[in-house]
Amino acid sequence: KAGVTQTPRYLIKTRGQQVTLSCSPISGHRSVSWYQQTPGQGLQFLFEYFSETQRNKGNFPGRFSGRQFSNSRSEMNVSTLELGDSALYLCASGGTSGGREKFFGPGTRLTVL
Amino acid sequence: QQQVKQSPQSLIVQKGGISIINCAYENTAFDYFPWYQQFPGKGPALLIAIRPDVSEKKEGRFTISFNKSAKQFSLHIMDSQPGDSATYFCAASRETSGSRLTFGEGTQLTVNP
Repeated sequence: KAGVTQTPRYLIKTRGQQVTLSCSPISGHRSVSWYQQTPGQGLQFLFEYFSETQRNKGNFPGRFSGRQFSNSRSEMNVSTLELGDSALYLCASGGTSGGREKFFGPGTRLTVL
Repeated sequence: QQQVKQSPQSLIVQKGGISIINCAYENTAFDYFPWYQQFPGKGPALLIAIRPDVSEKKEGRFTISFNKSAKQFSLHIMDSQPGDSATYFCAASRETSGSRLTFGEGTQLTVNP
């Protein structure tokens, strides 16, 4: 089975711009979660989607949004980028055991200048 | 009450030695405790996970020990190898919050040859 794929792998944007990141989960998985990883804050939960519905959301401002499509692919959008948004954005695909197992993709490295 | 505290921040072990990483949690509603391994430039990879009805789980050289009364769990890596050098994260989740993972701060393990 192919793993979780994320595109693009690297992205450079300037402050004020917006960005869209994409994630394709493992085939058959219906849950997609997004996490932000930074050296200072570690791994923080952004949101989770299951069957096109957001079922959980972390403590991030409304500039961070996401959606999931009928084929389980998910996109995450960040508007009005700030320098502090520079991070590795990780997508995780839900597996068996009621979706508790999470399998992460390689991430998208976002740099905001 | 959502925190998971991990120690040590960094660990250096000789080849063949035992690596031990500890985590403590506060929220007694947590009911799933995975460990992840992350290499530079990669996403976290699920190593092993445990539920609180079990005190120990072993998979190859990796063992989780779980102490429910102390609200602590630990990862033991037996016969540590240079290829085990990576950052390790403990995490926890509770069924009532979906499969949202709360991560520890991470431990950078270096295994010297």
